[in-house]
Amino acid sequence: EDKVVQSPLSLVVHEGDTVTLNCSYEVTNFRSLLWYKQEKKAPTFLFMLTSSGIEKKSGRLSSILDKKELFSILNITATQTGDSAVYLCAVEAGGGADGLTFGKGTHLIIQP
Amino acid sequence: NAGVTQTPKFRVLKTGQSMTLLCAQDMNHEYMYWYRQDPGMGLRLIHYSVGEGTTAKGEVPDGYNVSRLKKQNFLLGLESAAPSQTSVYFCASSQSTEAFFGQGTRLTVV
Repeated sequence: EDKVVQSPLSLVVHEGDTVTLNCSYEVTNFRSLLWYKQEKKAPTFLFMLTSSGIEKKSGRLSSILDKKELFSILNITATQTGDSAVYLCAVEAGGGADGLTFGKGTHLIIQP
Repeated sequence: NAGVTQTPKFRVLKTGQSMTLLCAQDMNHEYMYWYRQDPGMGLRLIHYSVGEGTTAKGEVPDGYNVSRLKKQNFLLGLESAAPSQTSVYFCASSQSTEAFFGQGTRLTVV
């Protein structure tokens, strides 16, 4: 059974701090790993990672994948209160159209 | 371009009632999915479809049925609602890997 584990499950930091969110996975026939940000409603796409060691970056957010150790991290630097959200990690595996397996998410709270 | 649209946004059902959730996408995507999201459980796949006229079971299919009669629509049915089906339901569509999500349907079964 495919498994995606995120840690920590919740995190409270102050504005300006840097945070690192973790995602480890055990799946058959890994295809890609995706990060989503979920505020009040639908998850919104952040990154898709398919290759080890290549950092994806968007503003203050960055992510990297390690396919040997089966994990990914999502970094957020100089956090702002608008970064408060649930961050979801999902893995696509198997035949490719079988949907995504999601972790439980990390609930990140940024305090002013 | 609306993307993925779910209707209704909210619904309260009595135990044993039936209902259908509609998901519509205007991106000509082949793949469509229904997930449910529960506290502490993350998103779990209920059913999915890899094209018009096809459906397949996901991780938690029991108590649900789906149909994909038209490429742009994916319907999720509850024949006899149970309190355990109280959840937030998300529809998603994709063409390759990145999935686009609807805004969710909050369903309460009392």
